[in-house]
Amino acid sequence: GAGVSQSPSNKVTEKGKDVELRCDPISGHTALYWYRQSLGQGLEFLIYFQGNSAPDKSGLPSDRFSAERTGGSVSTLTIQRTQQEDSAVYLCASSFPDRVRGYTFGSGTRLTVV
Amino acid sequence: SQQGEEDPQALSIQEGENATMNCSYKTSINNLQWYRQNSGRGLVHLILIRSNEREKHSGRLRVTLDTSKKSSSLLITASRAADTASYFCATDKGAGGQNFVFGPGTRLSVLP
Repeated sequence: GAGVSQSPSNKVTEKGKDVELRCDPISGHTALYWYRQSLGQGLEFLIYFQGNSAPDKSGLPSDRFSAERTGGSVSTLTIQRTQQEDSAVYLCASSFPDRVRGYTFGSGTRLTVV
Repeated sequence: SQQGEEDPQALSIQEGENATMNCSYKTSINNLQWYRQNSGRGLVHLILIRSNEREKHSGRLRVTLDTSKKSSSLLITASRAADTASYFCATDKGAGGQNFVFGPGTRLSVLP
């Protein structure tokens, strides 16, 4: 597609429920990243996928968070047993592997845990 | 602690004035990028500067990099109300890691 597409754009969930966030990167971008941004804060790195290599999961805050990328394209970020502190905007970005043209970000999913 | 930190945290100027934002980082880098974010949503890539470059221009944007001081600056000339946004610098981690690390950002307000 023309840009990075994320869905849903907004998600309100009850504490304890599981949620799935989807990211559809730009065609041809082999690198895909998930970041989290709390209100008024900077971006917190979560996970990075590059081609068929093992993902860099070093930023995932707990084992309730997981992500997969099927077929080297669409990625799903799953948060199990959501907590109120999970409330944030979850941003997905993709890039060419050399990254020199920068990341292209999606518009994000605003997650609110009530 | 942050790899990159922007300064100031917030900046308010009049339309037509220049805006300068600074970024400091701690470890050696290969690349440094600047992004703009409107309304707390997706970031837009503005410019990338490599560690062997000292200055780059793109339209009204001018970015400098001083690797000896581990700092970069973003200058927006002849600012417009539409430049109102948050601006982030992002640094890679040199020899380690594939992801870029973002600072907390500078909130720029351009008053008409």
